[in-house]
Amino acid sequence: KNQVEQSPQSLIILEGKNCTLQCNYTVSPFSNLRWYKQDTGRGPVSLTIMTFSENTKSNGRYTATLDADTKQSSLHITASQLSDSASYICVVSEGTNAGKSTFGDGTTLTVKP
Amino acid sequence: EAGVTQFPSHSVIEKGQTVTLRCDPISGHDNLYWYRRVMGKEIKFLLHFVKESKQDESGMPNNRFLAERTGGTYSTLKVQPAELEDSGVYFCASSLAGGPDTQYFGPGTRLTVL
Repeated sequence: KNQVEQSPQSLIILEGKNCTLQCNYTVSPFSNLRWYKQDTGRGPVSLTIMTFSENTKSNGRYTATLDADTKQSSLHITASQLSDSASYICVVSEGTNAGKSTFGDGTTLTVKP
Repeated sequence: EAGVTQFPSHSVIEKGQTVTLRCDPISGHDNLYWYRRVMGKEIKFLLHFVKESKQDESGMPNNRFLAERTGGTYSTLKVQPAELEDSGVYFCASSLAGGPDTQYFGPGTRLTVL
């Protein structure tokens, strides 16, 4: 069964600090891995997309890594801001039909002043 | 450029009734996806349209759910008859291309079945 597991479930950090969120997956065959940010009451917003051949992708203060051998990904947030408080969701799409995706439960990040 | 829009934002219906959710993708996006999050669980894939054709509907839970995309523009998702377990937030997303292309999500429709 395809699964995506994220850790930690929740995280509280102080403004300005860095943090790293983890994602492990068992989706096969692999097509791509995405990280989304979801604010309360809104739809997810894409942060990064990585295919099999990519092992790092940055988007401003967000940097995602992918290790396709160990089936692990991480999302590193640098110099956190209050507006980074949200749920961060890891999503892995299947290779033969990249439209079909498996979502993680998300990590809820709270940035405090 | 307008984003993905969904209507209604909230819907409260009684068990056994019918509800139709609508999604307007970003103009020009051939790929349209439906997802849903039921209470306390992760978002799950329902189906994927390419233009008006269903590319993959393997995530549709049962035959009470019917999705259409006539003309390849907006899409509707009908639930008939609705059951209590259908309650959740239904998201629509669209992308220009398939595969690893960026998907843009709508704000979701919160469905409550009483």
